[in-house]
Amino acid sequence: DIVMTQTPLSLSVTPGQPASISCKSSESLLHSDGKTYLYWYLQRPGQPPQLLIYEVFNRFSGVPDRFSGSGSGTEFTLKISRVEAEDIGVYYCMQSTQLLGLTFGGGTKVEIK
Amino acid sequence: EVHLLASGGGLVQPGGSLRLSCAASGFSFPGFAMTWVRQAPGKGLEWVSSNSGSGATAYYADSVRGRFIISRDNSKNTLYLQMNSLRVEDTAVYYCAKTNRGYNWNFFDYWGQGTLVTVSS
Repeated sequence: DIVMTQTPLSLSVTPGQPASISCKSSESLLHSDGKTYLYWYLQRPGQPPQLLIYEVFNRFSGVPDRFSGSGSGTEFTLKISRVEAEDIGVYYCMQSTQLLGLTFGGGTKVEIK
Repeated sequence: EVHLLASGGGLVQPGGSLRLSCAASGFSFPGFAMTWVRQAPGKGLEWVSSNSGSGATAYYADSVRGRFIISRDNSKNTLYLQMNSLRVEDTAVYYCAKTNRGYNWNFFDYWGQGTLVTVSS
């Protein structure tokens, strides 16, 4: 299976400041069809995960534009331009390039200072 | 609005069985593959199983293959997970999630609240 490694494990951010989370895969996530199946989810405390970003950089419906995704191959980044209180929780990257071995990163916990 | 309600969790002894259900509403259920993802207490997310919109095709993680069976009743808009030969390490919150397509899906766009399964003697 493809191993997804997220850094940092945790992040404490002052409201209004930017934040960045890295996700690295053990193999390239570029599929033979030319697409890269890398996603970002946010799990707020006590809630199920919610989709933020699909296929590297596309914001899902209703996701604020302060969230952006980038990257290619094996290295990907989620950026929050100005962190707000509602952004606290654990962020997970997920790959489905290897669909039947779909895997998640270990998570990055974001807290507010 | 998409709504997914998982139920059926509880306390079961090692070696026992449990059946989870997930009632779906707000979308054309037969048109989308569905999935189960679990989260052990304090841990990350682990994909468990998915099936196609028709229910004809099912996929399993190695950790549950041969013990769990995913199924669906499209007339009732309900997804199921039959869990047999349960192990302590199966203890987790089980989430059902909708995928983005009926077949050849790529991601999960909506998740239900989850149901807790505890395997302990």
